[in-house]
Amino acid sequence: KAGVTQTPRYLIKTRGQQVTLSCSPISGHRSVSWYQQTPGQGLQFLFEYFSETQRNKGNFPGRFSGRQFSNSRSEMNVSTLELGDSALYLCASSSGTSMLSDTQYFGPGTRLTVL
Amino acid sequence: KNEVEQSPQNLTAQEGEFITINCSYSVGISALHWLQQHPGGGIVSLFMLSSGKKKHGRLIATINIQEKHSSLHITASHPRDSAVYICAVSGNSNYQLIWGAGTKLIIKP
Repeated sequence: KAGVTQTPRYLIKTRGQQVTLSCSPISGHRSVSWYQQTPGQGLQFLFEYFSETQRNKGNFPGRFSGRQFSNSRSEMNVSTLELGDSALYLCASSSGTSMLSDTQYFGPGTRLTVL
Repeated sequence: KNEVEQSPQNLTAQEGEFITINCSYSVGISALHWLQQHPGGGIVSLFMLSSGKKKHGRLIATINIQEKHSSLHITASHPRDSAVYICAVSGNSNYQLIWGAGTKLIIKP
């Protein structure tokens, strides 16, 4: 089985722009979670989707949004980019109904740089 | 105080040494996860446990629910074990994973 894939792998944007990141989970996985990783803050939970429904959202401003499609692929969008949004954005999928009780499989991440 | 604390933050050891990384948490949990992140970002889920002990190859993870503590052990460490090891817990009261800051492990040949 192919692993979790994320596109693009690297992205450079300027302040004020918006960006859309994509995540394709492992085939058959219906739960997708997104995380932001920065050197100072470590891993921070963004949101979790299951069967096209957002189940939980982390403590991020409304500029961060996401969605999940019927094929379980997920996108996250960040509008009005700020310098502090520069980070590695990681996506993880799991086979069960909950990221809390199932093993998560992580993608390679998208490295976003905001100039 | 962070809800998930890992120690040590950094650990350098010689090849072959027995390694222990600790994780303490202050919340009620439904499960605890150990993950490994190699330079470049790739994260691999190592263990998910809610009681007792699990073993996979040279890696052993234990958890003591009463003491709210978990340990990750690596036997016969090897330079390829060099990575950041992250502990994360699924809290009982909120629907999120709470992450530790990670332990950076370097194994020297």
